[in-house]
Amino acid sequence: DTAVSQTPKYLVTQMGNDKSIKCEQNLGHDTMYWYKQDSKKFLKIMFSYNNKELIINETVPNRFSPKSPDKAHLNLHINSLELGDSAVYFCASSRTPGAGNEQFFGPGTRLTVL
Amino acid sequence: KQEVTQIPAALSVPEGENLVLNCSFTDSAIYNLQWFRQDPGKGLTSLLLIQSSQREQTSGRLNASLDKSSGRSTLYIAASQPGDSATYLCAVKRNTGGFKTIFGAGTRLFVKA
Repeated sequence: DTAVSQTPKYLVTQMGNDKSIKCEQNLGHDTMYWYKQDSKKFLKIMFSYNNKELIINETVPNRFSPKSPDKAHLNLHINSLELGDSAVYFCASSRTPGAGNEQFFGPGTRLTVL
Repeated sequence: KQEVTQIPAALSVPEGENLVLNCSFTDSAIYNLQWFRQDPGKGLTSLLLIQSSQREQTSGRLNASLDKSSGRSTLYIAASQPGDSATYLCAVKRNTGGFKTIFGAGTRLFVKA
């Protein structure tokens, strides 16, 4: 049973297109996250939602818009894709945002913008 | 601003060796510190989570320690095996300015058979 799942696993698209990545967790967690891992393998937080409400919004271009239809899902929509958006995007979840809670990661979505 | 540094960036050891990976962070105001493993092209697997009030956690051949006052954590791997080859990431969760998790750049470990 997959705890945190993401679709698609690979996404290759042209510059200027709009695309979405979906994330679902079946752990019953309240908090979900999106991270970006760049070509140097550095992981950075982008967004976090707790119980469908945005609690962390890093300095991310507003072309990126997260949406949480319910606690188990956090989708990431990206408008007008640019070459620099190429990266691996990871979704994660934890029971709550605070202390004592392990984060569990999805397998990642490798986005390539041509 | 919290910064997380991992040393060394890469490490190659023969099978069976005991090894230590280091993680340092600049701001001791943390909720917890988590060690992850990432295999090439894969997601992150949680190894150990240490709360800010704890000094260490153990799981099998892994032992992680935390010295919050000096801003350091170590991950000790006993009797290393080729299957331990992966990138090991250290991450701290802040307890100020939101619940952001800050990752180190990782240590790439290669265990030779």
